[in-house]
Amino acid sequence: DSGVTQTPKHLITATGQRVTLRCSPRSGDLSVYWYQQSLDQGLQFLIHYYNGEERAKGNILERFSAQQFPDLHSELNLSSLELGDSALYFCASSVGGTMRGTQYFGPGTRLLVL
Amino acid sequence: AQTVTQSQPEMSVQEAETVTLSCTYDTSESDYYLFWYKQPPSRQMILVIRQEAYKQQNATENRFSVNFQKAAKSFSLKISDSQLGDAAMYFCAYRSASNAGNMLTFGGGTRLMVKP
Repeated sequence: DSGVTQTPKHLITATGQRVTLRCSPRSGDLSVYWYQQSLDQGLQFLIHYYNGEERAKGNILERFSAQQFPDLHSELNLSSLELGDSALYFCASSVGGTMRGTQYFGPGTRLLVL
Repeated sequence: AQTVTQSQPEMSVQEAETVTLSCTYDTSESDYYLFWYKQPPSRQMILVIRQEAYKQQNATENRFSVNFQKAAKSFSLKISDSQLGDAAMYFCAYRSASNAGNMLTFGGGTRLMVKP
């Protein structure tokens, strides 16, 4: 158990819909990262938040948005869903100290768009 | 931009034997981190081992060790005494040490099969 939690574990929805994925980082971790794992694109970085502020954006579509709340949990919002958005979405949080730079991953949310 | 390449889509090893998974990366930076993650059928991403670029000593974690060749930009993972539970996808990942580059860049993965 990495200490990172994600809900829901599975999500099935239809094209055009909107969903929200939730992530709680490890206790004490200020950074949250979102990644997408799909068959054709592999593992791709989407976005990074640090203590409530957006720090970096990767290959994140304009239909996708995220935020990090004062209690440090994060939400990834996916709207106008398309079939190609079906993927496994991971949240990770990073640690400091002697293990600085290491990211620990949550169990992921499997999204299926029908 | 940094890139990570895993040239072996699939590998197989006999139980109790040793196997080495290859990873190369491209970067112009001198300070960075390298990681190997394991993804079993459960799809959970599990950290296997971590290497800091400024450290010349190769990292070791029980049966897992790396061969880090900075000049060659190579970072291979050696699994000794392979066990059935080692069967999984293995991903090599790069992370810049700069504050602007906190994200992980992953290779395409190597599927490891362990034969009993």
